[in-house]
Amino acid sequence: AQKITQTQPGMFVQEKEAVTLDCTYDTSDQSYGLFWYKQPSSGEMIFLIYQGSYDEQNATEGRYSLNFQKARKSANLVISASQLGDSAMYFCAMREGLSGGSQGNLIFGKGTKLSVKP
Amino acid sequence: DAGVTQSPTHLIKTRGQHVTLRCSPISGHKSVSWYQQVLGQGPQFIFQYYEKEERGRGNFPDRFSARQFPNYSSELNVNALLLGDSALYLCASSPRGGADYGYTFGSGTRLTVV
Repeated sequence: AQKITQTQPGMFVQEKEAVTLDCTYDTSDQSYGLFWYKQPSSGEMIFLIYQGSYDEQNATEGRYSLNFQKARKSANLVISASQLGDSAMYFCAMREGLSGGSQGNLIFGKGTKLSVKP
Repeated sequence: DAGVTQSPTHLIKTRGQHVTLRCSPISGHKSVSWYQQVLGQGPQFIFQYYEKEERGRGNFPDRFSARQFPNYSSELNVNALLLGDSALYLCASSPRGGADYGYTFGSGTRLTVV
């Protein structure tokens, strides 16, 4: 069964420094997608970055990059130059394989609470 | 353009009651999914609708039901509320069902069952 594991319940980082949030996944599908979402205290899930299983290059979006290591089944999020506004919950998610008529719903990890210190 | 809108934002219900949550997707998006997020956990998939048809259902009891209207808005209904149904209910929309990775979430409805 598909599964997402985030082993860091909470992380602290100094403002302007980089931080890596860990995510490992388990799937037997060949075609899948990996996502990172940010959830501030308001509750809205904000899309940050996406990596497809067949993408050869690591995804980047501004200060966010995804360190995709397919053989190790890991998809860590790297945030460079942390800002105070980055303090939030961060969720790694996987979209089920698209073969066999799968509907493509997301499976989420338990999240990591990131706190940025001034 | 308006994002995904959900109503109400907060709701308090008594055990045993019924509740209806509403979601309006981004204009042009035909797929709506519902997720339940219990405090301290990641969201869990409840339903997906595409073109007014149910395309997927998560591991939730029959007390949970949903539908999608011709304008692609959606309702999530929960009957016979239990204390354990207290959660943040998130709606996500995407242009197409399944094959597209563009999921946009609303701010959610925070349901408290007392």
